[in-house]
Amino acid sequence: GAGVSQSPSNKVTEKGKDVELRCDPISGHTALYWYRQSLGQGLEFLIYFQGNSAPDKSGLPSDRFSAERTGGSVSTLTIQRTQQEDSAVYLCASSYDSWTSEYFGPGTRLTVL
Amino acid sequence: AQTVTQSQPEMSVQEAETVTLSCTYDTSENNYYLFWYKQPPSRQMILVIRQEAYKQQNATENRFSVNFQKAAKSFSLKISDSQLGDTAMYFCAWGETSGSRLTFGEGTQLTVNP
Repeated sequence: GAGVSQSPSNKVTEKGKDVELRCDPISGHTALYWYRQSLGQGLEFLIYFQGNSAPDKSGLPSDRFSAERTGGSVSTLTIQRTQQEDSAVYLCASSYDSWTSEYFGPGTRLTVL
Repeated sequence: AQTVTQSQPEMSVQEAETVTLSCTYDTSENNYYLFWYKQPPSRQMILVIRQEAYKQQNATENRFSVNFQKAAKSFSLKISDSQLGDTAMYFCAWGETSGSRLTFGEGTQLTVNP
């Protein structure tokens, strides 16, 4: 595709439910990143995938958060047993490789009631 | 750990005028990248400009230019001939050359007034 796409655009869930957020990177991009942006805040790094290497999970805030990337393309970020503090915009980005600029998707706004 | 600081939470400028957004960072690395991203109300993060730390020449992209002062760890963005469409949140970001992640500042909300 022409850019990074994310789905859903908005997600409202109840506390304690699990959610899955999807990211489709730009075709041919080997690196994929997830960030979280809380209201009025900057972006917080969550996880990074580069090719077939083990992902850098150092930014995941708790073991309720996990992510996978299938076939080196699509990625899914899963949040289990959601909490109200998980409410934020989740942004995905991809880049051709680790040394080139990141291009962002439009984000998924998650609201936990 | 790297930190990025944007000391101006909000700024405003009149259309057609010039505005400069400030950014400072702290790192012990010698080689790295610096970026400015724009986030309009649509939420889409858009890359504005990128600077490699090993390059002394300041990057420019049309109306956007940077003043990169490596010793001072300063990376300001100048927007010339401001346009209404420049209204957005602007984020400064630091990236290591081995990739892995970007470290973002808290952002500066820029409003261009007609």
